[in-house]
Amino acid sequence: RKEVEQDPGPFNVPEGATVAFNCTYSNSASQSFFWYRQDCRKEPKLLMSVYSSGNEDGRFTAQLNRASQYISLLIRDSKLSDSATYLCVVKRDYGGSQGNLIFGKGTKLSVKP
Amino acid sequence: SQTIHQWPATLVQPVGSPLSLECTVEGTSNPNLYWYRQAAGRGLQLLFYSVGIGQISSEVPQNLSASRPQDRQFILSSKKLLLSDSGFYLCAWSFRGAGEKLFFGSGTQLSVL
Repeated sequence: RKEVEQDPGPFNVPEGATVAFNCTYSNSASQSFFWYRQDCRKEPKLLMSVYSSGNEDGRFTAQLNRASQYISLLIRDSKLSDSATYLCVVKRDYGGSQGNLIFGKGTKLSVKP
Repeated sequence: SQTIHQWPATLVQPVGSPLSLECTVEGTSNPNLYWYRQAAGRGLQLLFYSVGIGQISSEVPQNLSASRPQDRQFILSSKKLLLSDSGFYLCAWSFRGAGEKLFFGSGTQLSVL
């Protein structure tokens, strides 16, 4: 089983739709989780961290389910500008904070007018 | 504010030629520095990371090397490129001790022909 798995999509949704992505991780000891956004041929940018209690940032909601080892990202009222690839990122839980982020391959979202 | 510069944006090189990609960070001191590669259809793969001048850790055996001659300069090199070295190369930095929040450069699209 891969460390971090995502449905590659693409998810094609109309403007205004609500869309959700899931990401599963294999290491139950993982402690930190993130969503990054990557536009085509651009660098990834941190979208939001994922906390155990869940967190919301405007139209974006991230949740963590430790029992089932998955994290989710919900986007409400989709905008054309939300079209991008969303990368799930999990931090391995071993000593040090360097070099231990595992990136998923990403889920592609395309929002249509 | 902190900025990261990476160049060139695109590069086409013949097999067997050398490679040098440079990355510099401004506006911070003692950053952690990273080189990632993103091949077509694959997730981001960590190649090297550095916690200080002259300190390089390699994540995977490969045809590439990295150097950090100055605190905010990170260089990715190869003596002889292979076809399999093609990909999107990304430099990134993080604050020391906060390796989960990465700030990426704009990337270099390398095509080895």
